[in-house]
Amino acid sequence: QKEVEQNSGPLSVPEGAIASLNCTYSDRGSQSFFWYRQYSGKSPELIMSIYSNGDKEDGRFTAQLNKASQYVSLLIRDSQPSDSATYLCAADSGGGADGLTFGKGTHLIIQP
Amino acid sequence: DADVTQTPRNRITKTGKRIMLECSQTKGHDRMYWYRQDPGLGLRLIYYSFDVKDINKGEISDGYSVSRQAQAKFSLSLESAIPNQTALYFCATSDLQRMEDTQYFGPGTRLTVL
Repeated sequence: QKEVEQNSGPLSVPEGAIASLNCTYSDRGSQSFFWYRQYSGKSPELIMSIYSNGDKEDGRFTAQLNKASQYVSLLIRDSQPSDSATYLCAADSGGGADGLTFGKGTHLIIQP
Repeated sequence: DADVTQTPRNRITKTGKRIMLECSQTKGHDRMYWYRQDPGLGLRLIYYSFDVKDINKGEISDGYSVSRQAQAKFSLSLESAIPNQTALYFCATSDLQRMEDTQYFGPGTRLTVL
């Protein structure tokens, strides 16, 4: 069974610091990886997608992928209180044949 | 207007009742999905559809059925609701034409079964 594992947290980070969120996945056939942000009671919102090994930067967010280690991470620089949310990591099965497998999410708290 | 809409947004029902949750999208995507979310359990896939004639069971399809009435509409039914189906339900869509499977979520339906 395909699995995506995340530390549930809460992860507490001071405002202005770097928040580091981690995720591992079990299916070596996965090709695409996603980070979603979800505020309590709201729908998941796409933050970043990554498909190739290495880093991908978008504003304050950097996604990192290491397929050999089956590891995905998300760095949030200059963390703001509005970044406080649950972050969901997701992996596909290669071409989206079975949809996405989501981790249970990491609850991030940015302390003012 | 939102690209993915869900109705109703909130619903309280009683055990044994039949209930339908509806999802509509204006994104023009072929793929549509139904998930449920429970505290501590994350998002779990119930059913998904890659086009009108294609319906697939997900991880937790027991007790649920779906109907893909059109490319833009995907409905989830609970034939006889039970209390452990109390959850937050999300519809999502993605684009068959793209290699990656980025999914876009509706606002969710909060269902309570008494």
